[in-house]
Order: sequence, then C-alpha cells, then structure tokens
Amino acid sequence: GDSVTQMEGPVTLSEEAFLTINCTYTATGYPSLFWYVQYPGEGLQLLLKATKADDKGSNKGFEATYRKETTSFHLEKGSVQVSDSAVYFCALRAGSNQFYFGTGTSLTVIP
Amino acid sequence: DVKVTQSSRYLVKRTGEKVFLECVQDMDHENMFWYRQDPGLGLRLIYFSYDVKMKEKGDIPEGYSVSREKKERFSLILESASTNQTSMYLCASRLAANYEQYFGPGTRLTVT
Repeated sequence: GDSVTQMEGPVTLSEEAFLTINCTYTATGYPSLFWYVQYPGEGLQLLLKATKADDKGSNKGFEATYRKETTSFHLEKGSVQVSDSAVYFCALRAGSNQFYFGTGTSLTVIP
Repeated sequence: DVKVTQSSRYLVKRTGEKVFLECVQDMDHENMFWYRQDPGLGLRLIYFSYDVKMKEKGDIPEGYSVSREKKERFSLILESASTNQTSMYLCASRLAANYEQYFGPGTRLTVT
C-alpha cells in the first residue's frame, strides 16, 4: 500500500547549519507530496507541497523537490534558526481523501 | 484565517468510560478528519467525513465511532475507553477541492 518513510530523529543542529530531512514514498499512481511542521504545543501546519514530478515546493527558506525517479521528497534549508525547532512530517495524498504521514522528525536548533 | 478548535487540550478518563472529543471548524469545509498521533508511528487516520452525516473508516477505526450532524462539527467517540487509546488526537478539516488540511491543536487523552 501507499506509505511514507522519513529519517529517524532527533536531529540537533547549530544555528545557521544546513538541514536535510530525508523522505521517500511508495505509492501507486501520482501522489501529491507535502511537508508539515508541528511547533511545540500546536497542531500541524502545511509547510510546502508539490503536486507533480519535478515540482519544487518552497516556503520560509525550506525547499523540497518531487523526484519521481528516486521516489523522494527531501526537505532542505540552507541556514536553520532556533525558531525552526519543531517536528517535521512528510506526507502524501493518494486518492481524493486519504493522506499518509511519516513518523515525524524532531529538529532542535541550538544557538 | 481558518480555525480548527478542539474541545479540550488535556483529558484524563478511566477505563470503560465513554469519551467524546469535539472538533469545530469555522470555514465551511466539507471534509473533516480524526487522527491519532503516537511516538514512532506518526499520524494514523481513524475516521474521516466528506460531508454532513457521511463518514468513512480510516486505517484504525476499531474502538472508535464518529458523528457529523452539522457541517462545522465532527465528534470522535470512544464507546468504552481503554488504556491503549491513550494518545494525542488531532482533528483536521479541508475544502474538498483543496489539498491543504488545517489541523487543530490536539487533545492529549490519558486513559487510566
């Protein structure tokens, strides 16, 4: 069935370091792909999305490219800030209503 | 801004109790969802509703039921709470034609 696999955390980085969180997927057809972020004590918020192969989603300095050949959607940011500390979820949408989420990757950025 | 609210942030119930979790959205969204979030398992879909009085089972519906009598409100019911239902419960909503789901802040339920 459809699924998402993302890298295990937790991840700890110093401020201004480069961030990569890996995400790969398994799906039939052509899913849409998403990254959600969950700040402490809050619900999930959509960070970025890509709806077809080779699309690049971007928001708040984060980017991810939909790679059909490697079934991947890795999240990257060139220079992280303390305020980026959160849990990040990769997700895919298959069909009209079903979303599948990864297990989440906790990021802590230290000054 | 879209707002999704959940009736409680924290809830403690005893085994065997009937538990109601309420979710309300203010943007006239057709679709509403209930997930549970557990460490190492991510989010798993319990039920979703694509319109009033309509519901479909998600991946883990056992032990749960739902009710959607009004468009803005989607209730999750634990008929007889058990300790393995201790979890964070997240509600979400979205327009049927849109990709983005909007999440509430979550209810952390503890069953003792």
